[in-house]
Amino acid sequence: AQTVTQSQPEMSVQEAETVTLSCTYDTSENNYYLFWYKQPPSRQMILVIRQEAYKQQNATENRFSVNFQKAAKSFSLKISDSQLGDTAMYFCAFLQGGSEKLVFGKGTKLTVNP
Amino acid sequence: KAGVTQTPRYLIKTRGQQVTLSCSPISGHRSVSWYQQTPGQGLQFLFEYFSETQRNKGNFPGRFSGRQFSNSRSEMNVSTLELGDSALYLCASSRREVGLDYNEQFFGPGTRLTVL
Repeated sequence: AQTVTQSQPEMSVQEAETVTLSCTYDTSENNYYLFWYKQPPSRQMILVIRQEAYKQQNATENRFSVNFQKAAKSFSLKISDSQLGDTAMYFCAFLQGGSEKLVFGKGTKLTVNP
Repeated sequence: KAGVTQTPRYLIKTRGQQVTLSCSPISGHRSVSWYQQTPGQGLQFLFEYFSETQRNKGNFPGRFSGRQFSNSRSEMNVSTLELGDSALYLCASSRREVGLDYNEQFFGPGTRLTVL
């Protein structure tokens, strides 16, 4: 069974600074996808970024980028130029290829301070 | 295009009762998955429905069940409610296109269930 671990229950960062959220996972599969989801206080789960395991290049979406270390089974999220609107719970998630079952980590509560 | 909708948004029940939650997927999406979110256990997969058939099931007791209708709308039912069933229930829909290894899932706003 796959597991996803987020070791930072809470983090805070000053507006405009950079923060990195950590995630490790465990799987014996070769075909899988990794995600970071954002859940603001409104509770709507929003996809932030996706990484295909077969791609060596790290995914980037505007201010969000990942550091995908496949051998180490590590998948961290870097948020640059943090904004107040980035305040939310962030969940790391794993998806086996061909499946619809997302496996989530416990989440990291990020607070961006003005 | 309308997003995933869930009704009701809030629900209060007492122990022993049963409850039905509804999820309407994005138009054209044929797969609906359900997740339970609690402070203690986090987000856990309940089940997935595609073409009116349950395709995958998480590790939950038989009190949790679901179904999907021909228009892809899905309902989940919890019978004999327990205090521990208090949670945010999220559904997600995807196109689940045949031959695609990955189909992006879009989440609804959730139903907050409180069991007293």
